[in-house]
Amino acid sequence: DVHLVESGGGLGQPGGSLRLSCAASGFNFDDHEMNWVRQAPGKGLEWVSYISSSGSNTYYSDSVKGRFTISRDNAKNSLYLQMHSLRVEDTAIYYCARTDVVDAVPDSWGQGTLVTVSS
Amino acid sequence: DIQLTQSPSTLSASVGDRVTITCRASQNINTYLAWYQQKPGKAPKLLIYKASRLETGVPSRFSGSGSGTEFVLTINGLQPDDFATYHCHQYNNYWWTFGQGTKVEIK
Repeated sequence: DVHLVESGGGLGQPGGSLRLSCAASGFNFDDHEMNWVRQAPGKGLEWVSYISSSGSNTYYSDSVKGRFTISRDNAKNSLYLQMHSLRVEDTAIYYCARTDVVDAVPDSWGQGTLVTVSS
Repeated sequence: DIQLTQSPSTLSASVGDRVTITCRASQNINTYLAWYQQKPGKAPKLLIYKASRLETGVPSRFSGSGSGTEFVLTINGLQPDDFATYHCHQYNNYWWTFGQGTKVEIK
């Protein structure tokens, strides 16, 4: 079974940093592109960032570009999101999502980790 | 960015009803459209991809249609387990976007 488990969320200060992790199991991690998607309390889903299967290509939403960095360690079956210069509006549940190799659709999601940015 | 507009935002229905949710894209996304179901405190669950393909294990009462800029999710014979929020999602390019969600409530 595909299993994605996020960790690293918690309370962050405005202007501060947090690092999220996503541990993958049950599939060949290095075959799959990965993404981070977030959901602010009571709101819809918002794509945050993409990384290719090798890690050589990355993309970011305008709302996080220059502040967040996505990375992966295929040897450790892990995905990361380094978050700097946190803002109150970054408060959300952050999900890692696996992209299907054939159809390019996000087909498996973790349970999410809550990031709260507040002073 | 490609904008997705879902309607309605909220829908009240009864068990056994046929329910339709519409998703309109601000530009042509071919059939790169997916539908997710989300329950409170849970991650989104993939129902439909490529506009009309049913994800493995999803009941056949769920169906999707459309292409280009207009898409529809249909639930034929609403079941108690189907009361949830539904999101459309375009993956036509790397800059994914989602609709604002449709909450299906018990009438």
